[in-house]
Amino acid sequence: DAGITQSPRHKVTETGTPVTLRCHQTENHRYMYWYRQDPGHGLRLIHYSYGVKDTDKGEVSDGYSVSRSKTEDFLLTLESATSSQTSVYFCAISESRVIYGNQPQHFGDGTRLSIL
Amino acid sequence: GQQVMQIPQYQHVQEGEDFTTYCNSSTTLSNIQWYKQRPGGHPVFLIQLVKSGEVKKQKRLTFQFGEAKKNSSLHITATQTTDVGTYFCLLSNSGNEKLTFGTGTRLTIIP
Repeated sequence: DAGITQSPRHKVTETGTPVTLRCHQTENHRYMYWYRQDPGHGLRLIHYSYGVKDTDKGEVSDGYSVSRSKTEDFLLTLESATSSQTSVYFCAISESRVIYGNQPQHFGDGTRLSIL
Repeated sequence: GQQVMQIPQYQHVQEGEDFTTYCNSSTTLSNIQWYKQRPGGHPVFLIQLVKSGEVKKQKRLTFQFGEAKKNSSLHITATQTTDVGTYFCLLSNSGNEKLTFGTGTRLTIIP
């Protein structure tokens, strides 16, 4: 499997608290993605990054921010967590955007986040 | 936004039976990828289809891309217990470069 580490793996927190999830890669891939996975919705893209300090919104970006200060790290922040953000969060990496080549996305093991 | 219909949502089959999942888009696609996610695991890349009408095979798995590049299918011949999991398509829209996952088809096998 690709060298992707997500931390923490599990977190329980209260509504209104800030939460930061970390994705760390050792593959030197340019693209990094944050998804959330919920029953009935599949995987939905929150934000993605196409380089250091270069990020863009996905389809469910409201309530989330991201930062990428180094190639290997992509952080996802919930500034003030809400119960609707309870989900499993996956980070993924790829060498290039899918449409420009045959580069698959490699996923981390996920973070299970519960907001009470 | 792009509507990605993946059907069926669930499929229960006897071991040895065939299985097919379909992914349908309302817009023309530049390419499509398929992923498999085992229970409790993360999605794992299976294959990418790029050309209109393309057919690719991986052992018992057959992947097709529609002639109009708006739909795709994944067919498994003679399912085995190791095929259990959820199969997702990932669509790349040719117009706006958006990436969208299908809602997935969850396959369970009855031994």
